[in-house]
Amino acid sequence: AQKVTQAQTEISVVEKEDVTLDCVYETRDTTYYLFWYKQPPSGELVFLIRRNSFDEQNEISGRYSWNFQKSTSSFNFTITASQVVDSAVYFCALSGEGQGAQKLVFGQGTRLTINP
Amino acid sequence: KAGVTQTPRYLIKTRGQQVTLSCSPISGHRSVSWYQQTPGQGLQFLFEYFSETQRNKGNFPGRFSGRQFSNSRSEMNVSTLELGDSALYLCASSLGGTSVTDTQYFGPGTRLTVL
Repeated sequence: AQKVTQAQTEISVVEKEDVTLDCVYETRDTTYYLFWYKQPPSGELVFLIRRNSFDEQNEISGRYSWNFQKSTSSFNFTITASQVVDSAVYFCALSGEGQGAQKLVFGQGTRLTINP
Repeated sequence: KAGVTQTPRYLIKTRGQQVTLSCSPISGHRSVSWYQQTPGQGLQFLFEYFSETQRNKGNFPGRFSGRQFSNSRSEMNVSTLELGDSALYLCASSLGGTSVTDTQYFGPGTRLTVL
């Protein structure tokens, strides 16, 4: 069975600090996909990134960066120079191939609060 | 391109009633998935529809059902509502490829309160 663990339930930092959100996953699939979504207070899940299991290259998008390490089954998300607008709940998710391709398994989420 | 839309945004029902939620996917997307979000259980997969057929199903009782129309719009129905069905119901759409996992784009959700 697939499982995603986000050990940090809540994180609170002061604006401009860097913050890393941890994500550890479990799967028996050789091909799988990892995602991060952001959920602001409005409730809608906003897609941030998708990674497949064969692409371990780290990615940077502006102030956001992702570190995928297959050896430790982790897919961590770092926000550099955090801003108040980054405050939200962040979810890490996992899906497999075939019939399970469209079934996302989510972690419990990390509530990030950026204080001015 | 318009995003995923869900109606209604808020619903209040009483125990024993039934409810129907609607989801319109992004134009061109053929797969629609439904998720339930509660404080206790988090985000859980309900089911996925593709080309009017249920392709995948989560671990929910038969009171939860859905369907998809030829224009890819989807509805989900919950019969004999229980207090525990109070949740945010999120719909997501994707292109629906079977060999590659597509990115799912989510709607704003329908918040259901059961009294």
